[in-house]
Parts: sequence; C-alpha cells; structure tokens
Amino acid sequence: GQNIDQPTEMTATEGAIVQINCTYQTSGFNGLFWYQQHAGEAPTFLSYNVLDGLEEKGRFSSFLSRSKGYSYLLLKELQMKDSASYLCAVTQAGTALIFGKGTTLSVSS
Amino acid sequence: NAGVTQTPKFRVLKTGQSMTLLCAQDMNHEYMYWYRQDPGMGLRLIHYSVGEGTTAKGEVPDGYNVSRLKKQNFLLGLESAAPSQTSVYFCASSYSTGHPPTSTDTQYFGPGTRLTVL
Repeated sequence: GQNIDQPTEMTATEGAIVQINCTYQTSGFNGLFWYQQHAGEAPTFLSYNVLDGLEEKGRFSSFLSRSKGYSYLLLKELQMKDSASYLCAVTQAGTALIFGKGTTLSVSS
Repeated sequence: NAGVTQTPKFRVLKTGQSMTLLCAQDMNHEYMYWYRQDPGMGLRLIHYSVGEGTTAKGEVPDGYNVSRLKKQNFLLGLESAAPSQTSVYFCASSYSTGHPPTSTDTQYFGPGTRLTVL
C-alpha cells in the first residue's frame, strides 16, 4: 500500500520562512510533486523531485531524500498570497499521482 | 488555449438521479484523470485514462463510470447518485507519466465541479 503524511495546518508570518514536511511509504517510488491549492480553486503545480537533493524555484524550494521517504517544501519571504493548501503527491511506476491530504498554511501580517 | 475545462461548475442532484461531468483539454495530452476532493481526505483518484479509448480504475472507482471516446474529452458518469458522492470533482490531464517523471508529467487541473447529492 501507500501512505503519505503531511501536517494538517501550519501558521507563519509575512516575510518568514516555513518548511512543510511530507513523509511517504510507497512501493515502486518514481518521483514526488508539490502542488499549491488556494481555497475554492484547482491545484497548480509547484515543483517535482526525482533525485535526492534540493530543487530551487524562486522563493520555493523542494527537497527529497528517497532513502528516508522524506520531502519538504521550503517557502521563503512569505507573502499573504502564499496562504493556501500545499499538496504532496508521489508517483509510482505505471500509476497516477497519489496525493497526501494537504497542509493548510495561514500567513498573517 | 483554455487548458482544462469542466462542465458544469455546480450541480445539485437528488438521490438516485444520474448525471455526466464533462472534462475537456486542448493541450493534446494523452493522460486524463478524475479526482474527488473531500474535507480531510485530500484528492483521491476515481478513474484515469492513458489514451483515447482506454480507461482504468483508481483508488475510489465504485459508483462511477468513465469514457474517453475522444482524446480531448474525458466523461465521468454517476448512474445513481448517493449522498456519499457529494464532493468537489477535479479533472486533470498530463502529457505523459514517465518513469522517472519529468516536467511533461505535470498534471494540469480543471476548475472543479461542486456536486451536492440530497
């Protein structure tokens, strides 16, 4: 089977840095994706990791450790518009994405 | 380029009624997916398609049927709606599902359909 765990909620203040963790247990792991979803809207792609290490895209970075079944999404210089749910999803060979339940991030001023 | 579109955006059904949700994409993607999203449950895959004329079951397929007669369209049907099917339904598409994945495996989501079954 597969299991993906993320914290349910997190809070942070504008300008701060926040790290959202994701742990997974799957068979035949292929890669890990992060999506952002604002309330009432569709998920949108943020990043993906296939190999161990850090992938940086502007204010957002994503890290993967395949041996530990662990990833994190790092958000720097937080802005109010970053208030959203962040979804961790893993791919397995030959199947579609398996999503975690998401982490709701609230950014306050 | 509209991306992924879904119709309708909202719908209220009575228990036992049937309906079809339409998903259309104009990106020439091979793969299409139907998810449902419920509070505290995250996105769960209902059915997916790896190409025109193909369909496959996902995590929660019971009570739903799908068809992919044209590459650009993916239909989700509820033959006899139940209150447990009250949810937000998202369609998504991707160019590929690589092993390992690449940027072309990114899934693009439609705006969603809010379905209430009374």
